[in-house]
Amino acid sequence: DADVTQTPRNRITKTGKRIMLECSQTKGHDRMYWYRQDPGLGLRLIYYSFDVKDINKGEISDGYSVSRQAQAKFSLSLESAIPNQTALYFCATGHGGATYNEQFFGPGTRLTVL
Amino acid sequence: GENVEQHPSTLSVQEGDSAVIKCTYSDSASNYFPWYKQELGKGPQLIIDIRSNVGEKKDQRIAVTLNKTAKHFSLHITETQPEDSAVYFCAATPTSGTYKYIFGTGTRLKVLA
Repeated sequence: DADVTQTPRNRITKTGKRIMLECSQTKGHDRMYWYRQDPGLGLRLIYYSFDVKDINKGEISDGYSVSRQAQAKFSLSLESAIPNQTALYFCATGHGGATYNEQFFGPGTRLTVL
Repeated sequence: GENVEQHPSTLSVQEGDSAVIKCTYSDSASNYFPWYKQELGKGPQLIIDIRSNVGEKKDQRIAVTLNKTAKHFSLHITETQPEDSAVYFCAATPTSGTYKYIFGTGTRLKVLA
């Protein structure tokens, strides 16, 4: 979905390096999410934010941190990357006013940690 | 916490046949069940959803059924076409108002021409 963009789309890095994945959205949504996708494990929630001042841990937050710089921007950081963080990462957004919250996903970032 | 199981993990069908993907959830308070389709190289996209006060919903060739008593819901695709080939994910919202999803592990559907 062009309304949710992720940069970079692909990244190869080495163990111990700091990595930042960025997400921007033009949908005007207040809710933003970071997921990780691994084969056979589906999508697992890392962090989510319902507002610029609101940050919440998801299922698998260890080793990750996030920053909500503005309503439209939500970045995910790996302070010291390790090989088992090799995965496909997705950012998603949602409209807070909706009773049932459809989430709109970005195109993903493929991260490889060597 | 909420757990969502999805079966099968892979499914191959002949073009024109039907495909069924099943999910079960553990939290009886779950009230919203979306289905997402993920094509190669893209992010998941919502294709249909169902709320806990509805038993069935249809949209052209796709339908979703919900059995609250048994805590399972299913995606049905009729008259499958090659463009239906993708990975499908079910999800459940564990409690009302939190707007978090717990996803199933995905089903890779292959429609054979």
